Amino acid sequence: DTQLTQSPSSLSASVGDRVSITCRASQGIRNDLAWYQHRPGKAPKRLIFGASSLQSGVPSRFSGSGSETEFTLTISSLQAEDSATYYCLQHYNYPPPTFGQGTKVEIK
Amino acid sequence: QVQLVQSGTEVKKPGASVKVSCKASGYTFRNYDINWVRQATGQGLEWMGWMNPKSGYSGSAEKFEGRLTMTRDTSTSTAYMELSGLRAEDTAIYYCARTHGDFDHWGQGTLVTVSS
Repeated sequence: DTQLTQSPSSLSASVGDRVSITCRASQGIRNDLAWYQHRPGKAPKRLIFGASSLQSGVPSRFSGSGSETEFTLTISSLQAEDSATYYCLQHYNYPPPTFGQGTKVEIK
Repeated sequence: QVQLVQSGTEVKKPGASVKVSCKASGYTFRNYDINWVRQATGQGLEWMGWMNPKSGYSGSAEKFEGRLTMTRDTSTSTAYMELSGLRAEDTAIYYCARTHGDFDHWGQGTLVTVSS
């Protein structure tokens, strides 16, 4: 199975900061990677698919990049409502798909 | 619009089974796999298994093999996830998700609490 390693596991940043989260795959997965935002009590929300395509309705401050084994989710200007846990998901080797361990983003 | 609506909160005793439903609307149910994911308190998202609604074929993560059954009713566009032999560590929120490559639409989640 393809393993995904996310870093950091948590971060704390101020409103307006630029924030980046990395997801590394144990083998090449082309661009078969998505990013999700998960707030407590809510369903996960897809932000990015195909590694870099922005989901309709998602603010443009979110962006994704990368291919094969290294991927990045960037929030260009952090907002208070971005406080959540973020996960990457690979579906290249589906099934099974695999999630990263998650990155908890807190606002200072 | 695509919607997945799950059944409500469940409280079960250890050793019991739980069956969670996921009713799909706004798309052709048979054309997309349904996956099940759970999140225990303080833990990350954990993939459990998948089902193809057209064929009924399914597969589960190794840790759930023998305990997890996924079925569907195509007449009502509803997928079901049944987990047996419940233990305290199965206490979690369970989600269904439509699969189009990745998971593009999710149900609202079903809290399952396992407690004696």
